[in-house]
Amino acid sequence: SQKIEQNSEALNIQEGKTATLTCNYTNYSPAYLQWYRQDPGRGPVFLLLIRENEKEKRKERLKVTFDTTLKQSLFHITASQPADSATYLCALDRNQAGTALIFGKGTTLSVSS
Amino acid sequence: GAGVSQSPRYKVAKRGQDVALRCDPISGHVSLFWYQQALGQGPEFLTYFQNEAQLDKSGLPSDRFFAERPEGSVSTLKIQRTQQEDSAVYLCASSFRDRLTGELFFGEGSRLTVL
Repeated sequence: SQKIEQNSEALNIQEGKTATLTCNYTNYSPAYLQWYRQDPGRGPVFLLLIRENEKEKRKERLKVTFDTTLKQSLFHITASQPADSATYLCALDRNQAGTALIFGKGTTLSVSS
Repeated sequence: GAGVSQSPRYKVAKRGQDVALRCDPISGHVSLFWYQQALGQGPEFLTYFQNEAQLDKSGLPSDRFFAERPEGSVSTLKIQRTQQEDSAVYLCASSFRDRLTGELFFGEGSRLTVL
């Protein structure tokens, strides 16, 4: 079955540094991959979508890469701020039927000032 | 409304009780998804609707779980004879497109605690 792994449950960095989160998947070749942010007690909020034919995508301080050979996506937050502290989830379409987005467990990022 | 609305936000049920959780998606959104999120875990897919048609219910954990969307807008997730392992946050999400070709808009969730 398809499996998504996010490299660590928690990541602690200092303000101003770049945070890098990893998402690995197995047994699947998704057409695209999505990243979401989730704050405690809230629903996930969409951040970025990257397609299999896109190597990199940027949005303000966020950058996502997608390596279909390594079956890996990297999510970067540059010039991190305490307000970036949250859980970040990666997700992909389970079977290209478009009916089920499956999520990783998430990585909780803490940015200290 | 401007976003996906879920009610109740919190529900405490005694083991064996039936519960119903409601989701009001964004107006005009074709796709609707239900997810279950246990503490410290990512959301787990339960079921998918395209308008009123339930096209994928492969994630429903048992026949005690039932979802409907009779008029293609509001959806209800019903859990019969609740068990302690059903305790979780139930998230609803909607999307303008049919199937998964874009972002999902999530509600704040309904937190179910089964005693």
